[in-house]
Amino acid sequence: GIQVEQSPPDLILQEGANSTLRCNFSDSVNNLQWFHQNPWGQLINLFYIPSGTKQNGRLSATTVATERYSLLYISSSQTTDSGVYFCAVDNTDKLIFGTGTRLQVFP
Amino acid sequence: NAGVTQTPKFQVLKTGQSMTLQCAQDMNHNSMYWYRQDPGMGLRLIYYSASEGTTDKGEVPNGYNVSRLNKREFSLRLESAAPSQTSVYFCAGRPTGVTEAFFGQGTRLTVV
Repeated sequence: GIQVEQSPPDLILQEGANSTLRCNFSDSVNNLQWFHQNPWGQLINLFYIPSGTKQNGRLSATTVATERYSLLYISSSQTTDSGVYFCAVDNTDKLIFGTGTRLQVFP
Repeated sequence: NAGVTQTPKFQVLKTGQSMTLQCAQDMNHNSMYWYRQDPGMGLRLIYYSASEGTTDKGEVPNGYNVSRLNKREFSLRLESAAPSQTSVYFCAGRPTGVTEAFFGQGTRLTVV
């Protein structure tokens, strides 16, 4: 099956800093999503981005499908950005998650 | 996320007991999924259903059964709960295989 790796596993930032999270996958995909799991465990949809670039406020994402990776950019980070960021991909109908990047933003 | 409802939110079971986790969606999703998330880890796919009446195994199906009797509902059953099944369980749905998935709030299950 498809393998999904995320890096870095952990990230600690001071408020206001920028960061880049990476998602590598082992096969071509039809679907790629980024999620934020907040400290209460809720999974929040950030981007549906099987290819190309999207932006939503301070967050943006780019997927280069031919090279099998996606990047999530967080600019001017805030304490509310803390949590775990997951990417999830599929090339059939199985949506497979990466292991996540745990982000902690301190004031 | 709006549209995917899981019940119950919390449950404690004794080893060997059985129970069914319920998931219902009101967004006309064709595909539905069950995942488990262990502490400090990502989500692992247990079972999924690409359409009403069909189900397929995911990454970690052992010890579970599922049922997709209609388009709205996808249930997960533990026939004989084990402590290794202590986890948070998430249900998700999406309209087709090539679209955005939406998750429920999760069910925190403890097996003692």
